Amino acid sequence: DAKTTQPTSMDCAEGRAANLPCNHSTISGNEYVYWYRQIHSQGPQYIIHGLKNNETNEMASLIITEDRKSSTLILPHATLRDTAVYYCIVRVGYNQGGKLIFGQGTELSVKP
Amino acid sequence: GAVVSQHPSWVICKSGTSVKIECRSLDFQATTMFWYRQFPKQSLMLMATSNEGSKATYEQGVEKDKFLINHASLTLSTLTVTSAHPEDSSFYICSARAALAGAGEQFFGPGTRLTVL
Repeated sequence: DAKTTQPTSMDCAEGRAANLPCNHSTISGNEYVYWYRQIHSQGPQYIIHGLKNNETNEMASLIITEDRKSSTLILPHATLRDTAVYYCIVRVGYNQGGKLIFGQGTELSVKP
Repeated sequence: GAVVSQHPSWVICKSGTSVKIECRSLDFQATTMFWYRQFPKQSLMLMATSNEGSKATYEQGVEKDKFLINHASLTLSTLTVTSAHPEDSSFYICSARAALAGAGEQFFGPGTRLTVL
């Protein structure tokens, strides 16, 4: 599975959009981009995933560049409860033996 | 989303004893379950993958005789830490994938904090 690079930490003001970047320049054509987050001392929570197209759900939006070498997770209106470590993971599909391998992630602090 | 539970949520044991952690998928059938370990201020590390009715597949460097995994049903997997030592103290997290999952459907339990004295 391709490796991802994320900033170690970021701050965001409450109510503002949080834009979390992820670089995955070695991504293969059959690899998906996943985002999970982990609030302190809890299990990771699924946020969103995509292959080529931009995706949006009730939690966030995922913007994938046309060359698929990077992506951005957008939390449109960050709240204090969004303070967590955010993980960007690249993985092939399960039917190809894909596993979620976690990197160091980005520690997002949402401040009042 | 689907719910995955773990029991116990925390456990303290003496060195040399064995500890069993249960992982259950509450509202879906999980053909595949994953076990992770997380040390303080570190990321999650995948330990093993188990498929219902099959032997678990362990990641490189994980001792299969020390971390026994059983996935006997579509809703239950257990991790037994045998002869636990203080260095096994960690946060253990399971994850389950639904039988009819698409590309993104893998859900995590709340974790079990193990402290070995």
